[in-house]
Amino acid sequence: QSALTQPASVSGSPGQSITISCTGSGADIGAYNYVAWYQQHPGKAPKLLIYEVTTRPSGISTRFSGSKSGNTASLTISGLQAEDEADYYCGSYSRGNTLVVFGGGTTLTV
Amino acid sequence: EVRLVESGGGLVKPWGSLRLSCVASGLTFSDAWMAWGRQAPGKGLEWVGRIKSKTSGEGTDYAAPVKGRFTISRDDSKNTVYLQMKSLKIEDTAVYYCITGIKGHYDDAFDMWGQGTLVTVS
Repeated sequence: QSALTQPASVSGSPGQSITISCTGSGADIGAYNYVAWYQQHPGKAPKLLIYEVTTRPSGISTRFSGSKSGNTASLTISGLQAEDEADYYCGSYSRGNTLVVFGGGTTLTV
Repeated sequence: EVRLVESGGGLVKPWGSLRLSCVASGLTFSDAWMAWGRQAPGKGLEWVGRIKSKTSGEGTDYAAPVKGRFTISRDDSKNTVYLQMKSLKIEDTAVYYCITGIKGHYDDAFDMWGQGTLVTVS
């Protein structure tokens, strides 16, 4: 059972926008602006897309954006492309008994 | 280019031990905080633990499921971080990743991942 809750799957058509939610608690997402999002293609290592809720690392497309409200963070992917089909994970710093917690992952089908 | 290369995975019996290594290149290793994460087959990501740099005190933190069984250490002269695993359980079966983060965000923004090494406890 993951500390953060994500929908198991989402889908969208090329060119559309989708949003993936990530719900935590007052001990993690609600307590800190240290939420990150990762993309993972099958058989590959995860790739950092967003950190500090809204910040994109260098080289990450502006089609990826993050936000947070209360205990829930969200990742929005605009202008969906076939290569966006992957698993997406949220992560957060936590003051619970584990320093870093992840969501269970969301499979995006384009 | 930063590279993290893990080794040491394999098949181990329950209650057995294993030590993973991760050699880093392309970064100032002595300044970096290094972490380990894992992913059970077909499952999500899980943070395992982290070791700070020597200048930050080499402090370690561990996820609750591995605390007391796993130990992270580092050898800056070899640009290597280790994960010593003891009293292994079936549920420790996973691909183990060596990870480091963005400077200043070592505990919340993991931008460099190794290719992973598979540990099977059976």
